[in-house]
Amino acid sequence: KQEVTQIPAALSVPEGENLVLNCSFTDSAIYNLQWFRQDPGKGLTSLLLIQSSQREQTSGRLNASLDKSSGRSTLYIAASQPGDSATYLCAFLDSGGGADGLTFGKGTHLIIQP
Amino acid sequence: DGGITQSPKYLFRKEGQNVTLSCEQNLNHDAMYWYRQDPGQGLRLIYYSQIVNDFQKGDIAEGYSVSREKKESFPLTVTSAQKNPTAFYLCASSIGGLAGVVNGELFFGEGSRLTVL
Repeated sequence: KQEVTQIPAALSVPEGENLVLNCSFTDSAIYNLQWFRQDPGKGLTSLLLIQSSQREQTSGRLNASLDKSSGRSTLYIAASQPGDSATYLCAFLDSGGGADGLTFGKGTHLIIQP
Repeated sequence: DGGITQSPKYLFRKEGQNVTLSCEQNLNHDAMYWYRQDPGQGLRLIYYSQIVNDFQKGDIAEGYSVSREKKESFPLTVTSAQKNPTAFYLCASSIGGLAGVVNGELFFGEGSRLTVL
């Protein structure tokens, strides 16, 4: 099964900075990938979904890219705000059809300092 | 509004008791999933169901049981056989079922936190 690694595990930056969160995976045979946000004690909120035929998706200040050849995905957050503080998780659906759901990374805990 | 509802939000269990966590969705999704989340670990799959009256074990099914009698409901029972049940439990759903995953996008409920006393 896929192994998913998220680096860094934690990140603290001043408000207003642009930042990049990284996600790497071991097998390029993926169906799609999904980025989530999780606030403390809450469920996961879907941010962006990239199909395997796509290279990137954008939503507001968020941009996610997918490079299957290098086994990497990045989540770019522009003009960060304190409200962006949360844990961000990436997850892959493998090309087997995903009947058993996604494989998750452990997340990057992001703190935006006011 | 469409979504996934988990209840209760907080649950306490005594040693030797079975407890059931509820998960209801009104998204008309075929597939439903239960994940467990522990500090410092990624989400781990407990059980999943692609269609009514059918479900499959995930990576950590021991000590858990599920049923899927209705499309919108997928309750999880944490049995006394689960030796370390204290965790945050997350229910999810997606469009894909036995007909094949459409786009695989997963939607989650707000979670249930189980604590063993």
